[in-house]
Amino acid sequence: GQQVMQIPQYQHVQEGEDFTTYCNSSTTLSNIQWYKQRPGGHPVFLIQLVKSGEVKKQKRLTFQFGEAKKNSSLHITATQTTDVGTYFCADNRDDKIIFGKGTRLHILP
Amino acid sequence: DAGITQSPRHKVTETGTPVTLRCHQTENHRYMYWYRQDPGHGLRLIHYSYGVKDTDKGEVSDGYSVSRSKTEDFLLTLESATSSQTSVYFCAISETGWNEQFFGPGTRLTVL
Repeated sequence: GQQVMQIPQYQHVQEGEDFTTYCNSSTTLSNIQWYKQRPGGHPVFLIQLVKSGEVKKQKRLTFQFGEAKKNSSLHITATQTTDVGTYFCADNRDDKIIFGKGTRLHILP
Repeated sequence: DAGITQSPRHKVTETGTPVTLRCHQTENHRYMYWYRQDPGHGLRLIHYSYGVKDTDKGEVSDGYSVSRSKTEDFLLTLESATSSQTSVYFCAISETGWNEQFFGPGTRLTVL
């Protein structure tokens, strides 16, 4: 079945360092969504990418959708303690969303 | 936050007992979803609904059933709970099924 693979599974960074998580699919993605889940919380929608090669920014977060629509990335510049959590990509198709397993980000002070 | 509530928020039950989890929304969104979240597995879709009395299976539907008799309520039932169903269950809603999903606070279920 359809799958989206996320790497890395875990990432520890020093506060102020950059962070990137990658989402890959063996099949063409319809569109890609990104969510953030804080420890003990629920997933919260961040953004949706639809077009091939699309790049969107939200303050320190940059989201990219690959030209072939088979991969996507989330890059955080100069991480802060508030960035702690798990970041999920999700393939949205056929009225359903299939989530990747997520990348858990730890920030070292 | 979107108006989504889940009840109960925590439940401990014994193997073999029936359990029903409730998701209630005040947003009048057409689509509603049930996910389970387990360490190492991320979020997995159990069942979803695209309208009143319209439901379909997700990735991990075995052992679960759902019902939606009103737009605002989506019920998840474990007919006979097993220890493998110990998990955190999230409900989500979406206006169109194509745009973002809004998640409820979750229900932590423990089956002993």
